[in-house]
Amino acid sequence: AQTVTQSQPEMSVQEAETVTLSCTYDTSESDYYLFWYKQPPSRQMILVIRQEAYKQQNATENRFSVNFQKAAKSFSLKISDSQLGDAAMYFCAYHLTSGGGADGLTFGKGTHLIIQP
Amino acid sequence: DAGVTQSPTHLIKTRGQHVTLRCSPISGHKSVSWYQQVLGQGPQFIFQYYEKEERGRGNFPDRFSARQFPNYSSELNVNALLLGDSALYLCASSHRWDREINEQFFGPGTRLTVL
Repeated sequence: AQTVTQSQPEMSVQEAETVTLSCTYDTSESDYYLFWYKQPPSRQMILVIRQEAYKQQNATENRFSVNFQKAAKSFSLKISDSQLGDAAMYFCAYHLTSGGGADGLTFGKGTHLIIQP
Repeated sequence: DAGVTQSPTHLIKTRGQHVTLRCSPISGHKSVSWYQQVLGQGPQFIFQYYEKEERGRGNFPDRFSARQFPNYSSELNVNALLLGDSALYLCASSHRWDREINEQFFGPGTRLTVL
């Protein structure tokens, strides 16, 4: 079974600074997707960024970028120029592409990100 | 366009009771997935439905069941409620369910408390 580990239960960063959230995963598959989701206190889960495992280039979405190390099974999220609105729980998630993708998303336990004004 | 909607927002039940949670996907989406999020944990996959058929099931007991209707809305049913079923239940919809990457859009969830 696939597992996703987020080793930082909580992170704190000053507004406008950069923070990196860590994620490691365990899988024997070679074809999969990785995601970072944000869950603000209002609870609605929002996709932040995604990475296809076959792509070597790291995904970037505005202030959000990832460092994908496939051999190390590591998938960290970097948030640049942190803003107060970035405060939320961040979940790393894995999705296997074989088997019709019918296993759903496998999530880590999350990292609570605090933005200090 | 409306996003994924779920009802009710909150629900309080007692042990042994039955509960039905409802989800309406984004217009045009044919796949619905259900997740259970216990406080302090990440969501856990329960079911995925596509075109009214079950396409995937997570590691949950038979007390959990679901169905999808012709309009692609979905119900999650939980029988014989246990205290441990207290959680936020999330519904997510997507265009498809298969190999192609398809983003899952989440609803706000239903907070179930079992006393």
